[in-house]
Amino acid sequence: LAKTTQPISMDSYEGQEVNITCSHNNIATNDYITWYQQFPSQGPRFIIQGYKTKVTNEVASLFIPADRKSSTLSLPRVSLSDTAVYYCLVGDRIYNQGGKLIFGQGTELSVKP
Amino acid sequence: ETGVTQTPRHLVMGMTNKKSLKCEQHLGHNAMYWYKQSAKKPLELMFVYSLEERVENNSVPSRFSPECPNSSHLFLHLHTLQPEDSALYLCASSQDGGASNEKLFFGSGTQLSVL
Repeated sequence: LAKTTQPISMDSYEGQEVNITCSHNNIATNDYITWYQQFPSQGPRFIIQGYKTKVTNEVASLFIPADRKSSTLSLPRVSLSDTAVYYCLVGDRIYNQGGKLIFGQGTELSVKP
Repeated sequence: ETGVTQTPRHLVMGMTNKKSLKCEQHLGHNAMYWYKQSAKKPLELMFVYSLEERVENNSVPSRFSPECPNSSHLFLHLHTLQPEDSALYLCASSQDGGASNEKLFFGSGTQLSVL
């Protein structure tokens, strides 16, 4: 399964756009890229998922270059409530006998007033 | 509200106690999961059930015993736990568990403290 690398932490201010990049150099053909958000003492929450190019929903945008070896989660105009840990997951199945989707350390985003 | 409900929200137990964590999903999903999240550590997948059959058991100690009586309910029975088992236990569900673009829906978790 593809291993992901993302920054351990990021700081931002309210109203700014935040971009979190995830590297996944050995992504496989069938792999999707999925981002989750987790607040303290809560379960992760699905944010966005993509396979290639750009995906946008009401919460975020996901940019995926043609080689798919990285992806960037973009959060427009963050607020204090966006302070959370953001996980990038890459894989083709949540689980199987050969492995499973891995939640890494994630990126701890801190939004300041 | 994610459609996945976990109870209790908090649990304190001694090492000789027996307790159970409960999870219920109202999404019509066929796969359910138990994850463990220790302080400042990544989530660890413990068990996976698909259509009420256990399909994954990631070398979890036998003091953790899962049960899935139907596709909507999942339990984690705990006995003779150790202090290092203190963690946030998360339940999740997904549509089938095997598709390449499935999404996980998590409950709020049970914060377990073992004294």
